[in-house]
Amino acid sequence: EDQVTQSPEALRLQEGESSSLNCSYTVSGLRGLFWYRQDPGKGPEFLFTLYSAGEEKEKERLKATLTKKESFLHITAPKPEDSATYLCAVLPGFGGGTASKLTFGTGTRLQVTL
Amino acid sequence: DTEVTQTPKHLVMGMTNKKSLKCEQHMGHRAMYWYKQKAKKPPELMFVYSYEKLSINESVPSRFSPECPNSSLLNLHLHALQPEDSALYLCASSQETSGNTGELFFGEGSRLTVL
Repeated sequence: EDQVTQSPEALRLQEGESSSLNCSYTVSGLRGLFWYRQDPGKGPEFLFTLYSAGEEKEKERLKATLTKKESFLHITAPKPEDSATYLCAVLPGFGGGTASKLTFGTGTRLQVTL
Repeated sequence: DTEVTQTPKHLVMGMTNKKSLKCEQHMGHRAMYWYKQKAKKPPELMFVYSYEKLSINESVPSRFSPECPNSSLLNLHLHALQPEDSALYLCASSQETSGNTGELFFGEGSRLTVL
């Protein structure tokens, strides 16, 4: 069974205090790993797609990396507006003709304070 | 601003009511999705439409009835819901039409409360 585990569950940082969020996955044939940001009461906002180990993507203060077992979302010098829940999702490869389905982790709730 | 618009933003309904959630996207995407999300939980896939045809139904109870009138619109008709159906209902769209993608564009959601 495909599994996605995110840690920590919650993280509180001071403004400017860099850190990393972890997404560990077990999946049969990874087709892609995706990061989303979700503000309270809103829909997720797509951030990055990673396809293969060693790949990196950057956007402003965020950098996502991928290994064969996990992905990290590095946040450099965060600001209060970076406060949100960050969701990781994996798309498994095909198996026996069954349509693949995106599997989300439970997210990391990030709070950045002044 | 999101290009996937959902209405209403909030809905309160009794267990005997019939209501609908609406979703509209203006990105030219040909795949649209309904997800359900409970507090502090990840989104759960309910339905996928590809080229206006239902392609995935994740064994959702029949009290939820999806409809895709055209490539830009997606509805979710609600009837005889239970209090445990209270959740944030999210609409999403994607350029990829097979349903096998993780690059989804979500609306802001409709917060449903069933009394």
